[in-house]
Amino acid sequence: DQQVKQNSPSLSVQEGRISILNCDYTNSMFDYFLWYKKYPAEGPTFLISISSIKDKNEDGRFTVFLNKSAKHLSLHIVPSQPGDSAVYFCAALSGGSYIPTFGRGTSLIVHP
Amino acid sequence: EAQVTQNPRYLITVTGKKLTVTCSQNMNHEYMSWYRQDPGLGLRQIYYSMNVEVTDKGDVPEGYKVSRKEKRNFPLILESPSPNQTSLYFCASGTYNQPQHFGDGTRLSIL
Repeated sequence: DQQVKQNSPSLSVQEGRISILNCDYTNSMFDYFLWYKKYPAEGPTFLISISSIKDKNEDGRFTVFLNKSAKHLSLHIVPSQPGDSAVYFCAALSGGSYIPTFGRGTSLIVHP
Repeated sequence: EAQVTQNPRYLITVTGKKLTVTCSQNMNHEYMSWYRQDPGLGLRQIYYSMNVEVTDKGDVPEGYKVSRKEKRNFPLILESPSPNQTSLYFCASGTYNQPQHFGDGTRLSIL
C-alpha cells in the first residue's frame, strides 16, 4: 500500500505558466516532506522541503504548500521554464528518520 | 565537492554471473541506501545502512546483498542476477535531518 502517492504520472505546461504538482500521503506520522527533481541520466537532486510545523515554504520560483488536515502537499513552480522539464518525486519522513518514503514521480514537460 | 559515486554507470551482463555495483560517498554520512527505479514504480528501496556494519532490508531486497565495512562505501551485490533485476539503480547517502544525496545511477541490463 502506497503511503505517498503522486496520482498524476505526467503534466504538461506552457512556458511562463504555473506548474502544480500534487502529492498525497496516508501516514499521519510523517512530519517532514521533500521534493526531488530528476533529469534523465542523472540521480535525483533535492529541490525543496517543508516541515509539518509550517504550511508554506518558498525558494525562488518554487513553493511547497502543506495541508496537514488533508494530508496533501503541492509544489508550485512559477513561472515554469523549459529547463524545469524533469521527473519530480515527493518524499516523506517521520520522527527524525533517515529513511524517506517516495512517491512514484510526476513527469513535468514545459513547452516553449 | 560533495559526491556520491557509483560504478559502473552502465553494465550489460548475463543471467547468473555475479556482479557488484560500487558506491562511495565523501561526506562522512552515516546513512546509505540503494534504490531501483522502474517505469511506473518510482524509487523503491532495496537495502539501507545506518552505519558501519549495520544494514537492513528495504522494500525489495530479494536477490541482492550489501555490505558496509567502511563508512564511505556501500556496494550492492547481485550473486546470481536474473532478467527481472534489469533496472536503473541509485545509491544515496544522508545524515540526520538533511536531504539525501544521490549518485548518478547505474543502468543494469541482465540478459
